[in-house]
Amino acid sequence: SYELTQPPSVSVSPGQTASITCSGDKLRDKYVYWYLQRPGQSPVVVIYQDTKRPSGIPERFSGSNSGEIATLTISGTQPVDEADYYCQAWDTSTTLVFGGGTKLTVL
Amino acid sequence: EVQLLESGGGLVNPGGSLTLSCTASGFSFSNYAMSWVRQAPGKGLEWVAILTGSGSSTSYADSVKGRFTISRDNSKSTLFLQMNSLSAEDMAIYYCAKATQWLISEDWFDHWGQGTLVTVSS
Repeated sequence: SYELTQPPSVSVSPGQTASITCSGDKLRDKYVYWYLQRPGQSPVVVIYQDTKRPSGIPERFSGSNSGEIATLTISGTQPVDEADYYCQAWDTSTTLVFGGGTKLTVL
Repeated sequence: EVQLLESGGGLVNPGGSLTLSCTASGFSFSNYAMSWVRQAPGKGLEWVAILTGSGSSTSYADSVKGRFTISRDNSKSTLFLQMNSLSAEDMAIYYCAKATQWLISEDWFDHWGQGTLVTVSS
């Protein structure tokens, strides 16, 4: 089955840029979606179709997808961005998969 | 305002069964595919199942295929997950999630419920 691989953790200082990667075989041929999940809360989509940002999501969140790696970038990271981040892609036309998640620490 | 409210979680014996419900409001329920996603304690998200707006087409993760059944009652804006032959590996918070399209297709989940906890233990 298809797998998406994320680093378990990423650390960033406030105001700096955080990059969270998601890798998978031929990932460039798929759309990638990104969700954040704060402790004790439900997931929230922050990026869809590789690069698009839903209404209400701050402009500091951006996404890219090239080669075998998709990247979620948070510019000017704020303490409120500390959360778990998950990438998602469709394995087949009817099944989907999540990455293992990345814990972003802002310190 | 879109709201998804899961219920039906609880303690079940290994090998037992449980049915989860997700009551939706704030949108035209039958117009959107719906999904279940679970999260074991301290672990990541795992997609479980999805079905079309009409409920006529479904898809399952290999880990639950043949044991779980996803269904919906559009007249009551309610999504269900019937779970059989439960094991410790099924213990998780179960979230219902709303897709942005009617079909099962390249899509994402724009709204999630707060989740309901399923505990499998004797």
